[in-house]
This record gives sequence, C-alpha cells and structure tokens, in this order.
Amino acid sequence: ETGVTQSPTHLIKTRGQQVTLRCSSQSGHNTVSWYQQALGQGPQFIFQYYREEENGRGNFPPRFSGLQFPNYSSELNVNALELDDSALYLCASSSAGRNNEQFFGPGTRLTVL
Amino acid sequence: AQSVTQLGSHVSVSEGALVLLRCNYSSSVPPYLFWYVQYPNQGLQLLLKYTSAATLVKGINGFEAEFKKSETSFHLTKPSAHMSDAAEYFCAVSEPGGANNLFFGTGTRLTVIP
Repeated sequence: ETGVTQSPTHLIKTRGQQVTLRCSSQSGHNTVSWYQQALGQGPQFIFQYYREEENGRGNFPPRFSGLQFPNYSSELNVNALELDDSALYLCASSSAGRNNEQFFGPGTRLTVL
Repeated sequence: AQSVTQLGSHVSVSEGALVLLRCNYSSSVPPYLFWYVQYPNQGLQLLLKYTSAATLVKGINGFEAEFKKSETSFHLTKPSAHMSDAAEYFCAVSEPGGANNLFFGTGTRLTVIP
C-alpha cells in the first residue's frame, strides 16, 4: 500500500510569485485535505477535495486554490505569495465514511523571501 | 464550532517516567478525537483515535488516551517514556458526518531526559 506523497520537498519563492504543490493520495482514498503549518503552530485546514469538487474550506483567502484529479491526486496553488505564506504544507488523504481518519504526507516546506 | 486546547507547549519527563499530555476539546456534537505525533521535518503520524466506541483508546508505541465527556478531555498517556518518544504531539478534533477536516491544537513538545 503506497502512502501519501508530496512534491517538492522544499521550495523557495519570492514575494508576489505563484507556487504549485502536489500530492498523491494513498491508494483507495478519494478525499484530499490540505493544511498549512506555520512554524511552532498546529496545522490549519485550508480546504478539502472529494471527487474533484471542493468539499469544505477554512479561513484562507481565494489566492489559495486547489484541484483534484480523476486519480484523486491533488494540487494546491497559491498566487501572489506573501511572506506569511512561509510554512509547511501538509496533504492528507482519507476515505469518505472512515471515521474521519486522515493519513498525512511528509509535507512541502515553502519559504517566501 | 470545534476547537482544541493543549495545556503546556513544552513537557519534559525523565526516561522511564509517566508521560501525560493534556488535551481539552470543544464541540457542538459528540466528536471524533485524534492524537498525532510529528518528528522533526516530517509529516504527522496517527497515534490513536476515538470514534465513539470504547472511551479508553490504545494506540501505537504504548500510548493510550481516555475520552472523558464530563471533562471534555482526551489526555494522552504512556506509562514509561522512551528516548524515541521525543517529538511534537498534536491533539485534533473533527465532527462526525460533516466535512472531515481536523481542527488541531497548538501542539506539545515532549522532551525525554536520559
């Protein structure tokens, strides 16, 4: 069974640029959630995708957007990067109806200069 | 609205001593509760979960947690700390039946002293 994978591992961008982060869900999972974890903080929910549709969103501006593909992999896009976007971005996959248990990937560390 | 409070951002214990990490939750409905562990520069690994079955939940690596509705608590314990337990621990809550996003606490860093 393949776990959740994310790419890239690390990324450095400058303010105002755009970034795309990628996530492959665990086999058999149809739901992907994205979280932002700032340094020293707990993860904060960005949004969730289920069957290629957004299925819930946290308190993040529209410049944070996402996609889910037919194979259930997902992308997180962030436009107009700000310094405060520097964080670890975590992807989690789950299967609808499975007690909300989510399996996390290793994360992408984004640094905005 | 759901939320989690983790009391104590840093906890230090001696190797072999009891580990107790505290978590209190707020939820408008009976919740699902989780404990995750995060090692440096890694993602989150599920330790254990409560999903309305037995109130005493056993997880991996010798950890367990007890759901106490009257106290709105879900504290994590381990009888004897090991050096490999040093990590960041996060408590999380979600609501059954809704979008299954997790609300996390701010974490507790556990240091194990040899």
